Amino acid sequence: AQTVTQSQPEMSVQEAETVTLSCTYDTSESDYYLFWYKQPPSRQMILVIRQEAYKQQNATENRFSVNFQKAAKSFSLKISDSQLGDAAMYFCAYWSGTGNQFYFGTGTSLTVIP
Amino acid sequence: ETGVTQTPRHLVMGMTNKKSLKCEQHLGHNAMYWYKQSAKKPLELMFVYNFKEQTENNSVPSRFSPECPNSSHLFLHLHTLQPEDSALYLCASSQEGTSGDTGELFFGEGSRLTVL
Repeated sequence: AQTVTQSQPEMSVQEAETVTLSCTYDTSESDYYLFWYKQPPSRQMILVIRQEAYKQQNATENRFSVNFQKAAKSFSLKISDSQLGDAAMYFCAYWSGTGNQFYFGTGTSLTVIP
Repeated sequence: ETGVTQTPRHLVMGMTNKKSLKCEQHLGHNAMYWYKQSAKKPLELMFVYNFKEQTENNSVPSRFSPECPNSSHLFLHLHTLQPEDSALYLCASSQEGTSGDTGELFFGEGSRLTVL
């Protein structure tokens, strides 16, 4: 089965600074999707950004961007100009592109320091 | 009403109680999920329903019993739970098998369950 590893249980960043959250995964498939989800305290988990494995270009959504290294099976999330509202748990997830099985990491708790 | 709603938000129950968690999605999706979220562990997929048919049951103990009466509603019936079942239970929905299938899961806020 696929596994997703987030090696940073907790991270902190100064407001307006940049932070990078790490994620690695293990798979034997060539086509798949990777996601970063954000779960604010006591609020719904929402999708931050998505990357299709067949696309070489890194996905970007406003202040959020990824560094997708397919050969290294690495998928890190960069948050630029961090804001207080970015404080949350961030989960990396893998989906094969078919079926309903999503694989999640253990999450990284991000604190934003004013 | 928007997105995915879960009730109750918090539930405390004894080991001999019977209770139910409810999930409702207003997105017109055809797949619904139950996940268990425990601290420092990956989200655990429990059950999946596609078009009201159960398609995944990840070796979940029988003390958890799902029910999907229609594509908008999902229940998780709980009975004779154990303290280790205390967790946040997340409901999610998605649109499967169409050109709009992006793989995105839409989550509810979760039901925090405490088993005494």
